[in-house]
Amino acid sequence: DAKTTQPTSMDCAEGRAANLPCNHSTISGNEYVYWYRQIHSQGPQYIIHGLKNNETNEMASLIITEDRKSSTLILPHATLRDTAVYYCIVREIYNQGGKLIFGQGTELSVKP
Amino acid sequence: ETGVTQTPRHLVMGMTNKKSLKCEQHLGHNAMYWYKQSAKKPLELMFVYNFKEQTENNSVPSRFSPECPNSSHLFLHLHTLQPEDSALYLCASSQEVRSTYEQYFGPGTRLTVT
Repeated sequence: DAKTTQPTSMDCAEGRAANLPCNHSTISGNEYVYWYRQIHSQGPQYIIHGLKNNETNEMASLIITEDRKSSTLILPHATLRDTAVYYCIVREIYNQGGKLIFGQGTELSVKP
Repeated sequence: ETGVTQTPRHLVMGMTNKKSLKCEQHLGHNAMYWYKQSAKKPLELMFVYNFKEQTENNSVPSRFSPECPNSSHLFLHLHTLQPEDSALYLCASSQEVRSTYEQYFGPGTRLTVT
């Protein structure tokens, strides 16, 4: 699976949009982009995933660049409860092994 | 509440003890996973079970012994652990192991080996 690069930490004001970037310049055509987050002392939580089209669900939006070498996770109205470590992961479409490879992630702090 | 429960939530054990971690999923999934999260390190996959069969062992030492009696339950048996095995142990499940299915994680067991 390809590797990803994320900023170590980011701050966001409560109520504002949080935009979390991820670089995956070596992604191949058969790899998805996944986002998970981990709130302190809890297990990771699935947020969203996409292949090449932008995706939106009740938690967030995922914007993938046309060349697929980077993506941005958008939390449209961040709350204090969104403070967490956010992980960007790329994963083969045909991965039969179920493996999720977590990096260090971005520690997002939402401040009042 | 993710539908994946883990017990105990906290465990302190000596190096000569034997203990077991339990994971149960109420989602009707067929794949279950054990991950380890040490302080300041990324999550590491340990074991994968698909339809009760172990499909991956990520070079885990034999002092960790998994057991999957059915698709809803997963155990991690621990014996003669080392202090460096102290970590958060996370269980996850998914519909199947294929990457199109997201994984749901339990809250973890915080293990301290003294």
